[in-house]
Amino acid sequence: DAMVIQNPRYQVTQFGKPVTLSCSQTLNHNVMYWYQQKSSQAPKLLFHYYDKDFNNEADTPDNFQSRRPNTSFCFLDIRSPGLGDAAMYLCATAGAGQMSYNEQFFGPGTRLTVL
Amino acid sequence: GEDVEQSLFLSVREGDSSVINCTYTDSSSTYLYWYKQEPGAGLQLLTYIFSNMDMKQDQRLTVLLNKKDKHLSLRIADTQTGDSAIYFCAESMGPSNTGKLIFGQGTTLQVKP
Repeated sequence: DAMVIQNPRYQVTQFGKPVTLSCSQTLNHNVMYWYQQKSSQAPKLLFHYYDKDFNNEADTPDNFQSRRPNTSFCFLDIRSPGLGDAAMYLCATAGAGQMSYNEQFFGPGTRLTVL
Repeated sequence: GEDVEQSLFLSVREGDSSVINCTYTDSSSTYLYWYKQEPGAGLQLLTYIFSNMDMKQDQRLTVLLNKKDKHLSLRIADTQTGDSAIYFCAESMGPSNTGKLIFGQGTTLQVKP
């Protein structure tokens, strides 16, 4: 089945230690998104890729970076995680231009704990 | 600015109807969505409505949109225990804005047997 996969599902890191979260998709979608969802809060868009074009949200901290080496994979790098970065990180994809509305397909998320 | 608000919690009995409400502020939104999130899982799109519609029905789900009041609701008929989850309302400015979604904070639906 076509899907959005996130690895790992649970990640524990230490304060200040760089960490990378992974997302892959078999949907061949143009657009890939990264959202941050803190406990009991709404998912908040960090950035997205439209093909190879990177689009950062204005209020996304510099501590967060992303890479998209090919259509299928997208990575979220947190250079120096702080305690406030503990959250669920959701990856989503969308096939831009294929539908009149934007259905985003979400992965199961990676729950990040910072010790 | 962009803002979406929802009530935080709703409790119903199995077999009753559930109504989850949402208000949004951006009148340029072209699509509005309802997503469902079960514990430990990602978000699943339940249904969506285009801004020039005022109602959409899909099996047990009915979406009502009052564009004048910027009010969106999701009615679930014959609510089941499997409907227990967090429901997120979201607005999008459509593909021209790369489909950025602005989510509400989610309504936790508790279904009692």
